[in-house]
This record gives sequence, C-alpha cells and structure tokens, in this order.
Amino acid sequence: DQQVKQNSPSLSVQEGRISILNCDYTNSMFDYFLWYKKYPAEGPTFLISISSIKDKNEDGRFTVFLNKSAKHLSLHIVPSQPGDSAVYFCAASANNYGQNFVFGPGTRLSVLP
Amino acid sequence: DVKVTQSSRYLVKRTGEKVFLECVQDMDHENMFWYRQDPGLGLRLIYFSYDVKMKEKGDIPEGYSVSREKKERFSLILESASTNQTSMYLCASSQGTTNEKLFFGSGTQLSVL
Repeated sequence: DQQVKQNSPSLSVQEGRISILNCDYTNSMFDYFLWYKKYPAEGPTFLISISSIKDKNEDGRFTVFLNKSAKHLSLHIVPSQPGDSAVYFCAASANNYGQNFVFGPGTRLSVLP
Repeated sequence: DVKVTQSSRYLVKRTGEKVFLECVQDMDHENMFWYRQDPGLGLRLIYFSYDVKMKEKGDIPEGYSVSREKKERFSLILESASTNQTSMYLCASSQGTTNEKLFFGSGTQLSVL
C-alpha cells in the first residue's frame, strides 16, 4: 500500500489563478516533506520543503501547508503561470535523509493561457 | 550549474542481456541514488551509495546491482534484464548527511523486449 498518495493524477488551471496540489500520507512518523517539479525529458528538481515543526512554508509564488493531524499537505501556486506546467511529486520521510524519502505518484499540472 | 548526467536517454535491450546504466555527477557529492519511476507508483529507490565502494539496498533492489568505484560515478547493473524492468531510471546525488535535496539526472527510459 502506498504511504504517500497524490489522488489527482492531473489538474488544469487557468493562468493567473491558484493551483492547489494535494498530498496525503499514512505514516504518522513522517516529519519531513518535499515537493519536486519535473518537466518532460528532465529530472525532478527540488521546489520547496517543510518539516513538522511548521505548518506553512513560503517561497515566492509557492506555499506548502502541512496539516499533521490530517496527514495532509498541499502546495499552493499563486498566481499560476504556463511555465508551472509540469508533474509535481510530493515526498515524505521520518528523518531528513534523502534515501528515506517516499515519493508519491505525482500530479500533472497544466496551466492554460 | 550543478549537473547529473545519465549516459543514455533511451535504451532498448533484449531479455537476458546484461545492462549498464551510467551516471556521473560534477558536484563532488558524497551520496548517489538510483530510482525507477513507473506510472502511478512514483519514484522507488533501488540502491544508494554514501561513499566510494559503499552501497546500501533501497526498497526494490532485486534484480539489480550497483558499482561506485569513483566518487563522481554510480553505475546501475541489470545482471539479466527482464521485461518487468522496463521503466524510467533516474539517478540522483546529494551532499552531506541531512541530504534532503536531491539533484536528479534527466533519466534513462529502458525498454526490455
């Protein structure tokens, strides 16, 4: 059974609007969470992270929210731009070691002009 | 600019062949990783290495081996390729112990016929 779930395989949003990508996890020991972005024919690139001592982390247009009691995190992109069209992976770990991160299946975001 | 280079973008092999996937990083990173990405499953860790000649099994090591003779190079070996090893293979590297931020190569799409 998958420990990290991204239940929306795809999402379409109009340019300038908010994109909300969701991620749920089952392991209550997870304390570190990452988002990666992947363009076609490229490897994933690190986007933003959050640890359980915070419930929000912001970096420019990207904000990640963590609700530990619900075992849920979300990535908000405001405003969305066509260049944000990519696959977004959520990853979670009980510690901060790269080899222990469990990745979700990804959500393909399409931002329409 | 940091770089993780995978030797082939596409590879087609026959069942039973021995397959080598090569990965080179130019960032002097200590840690290197091999993942496979399959639709609906996210990235799954095959093997990782935290130092030259050191290796650790990941979540799905069966049917694979690795080699790290030099710090910058990490090879994934399929001893006898099978059709269920058809997948996208991603190499990554990271620095340090708390190494949440992975730098990925662009991937090798392997087809085993």
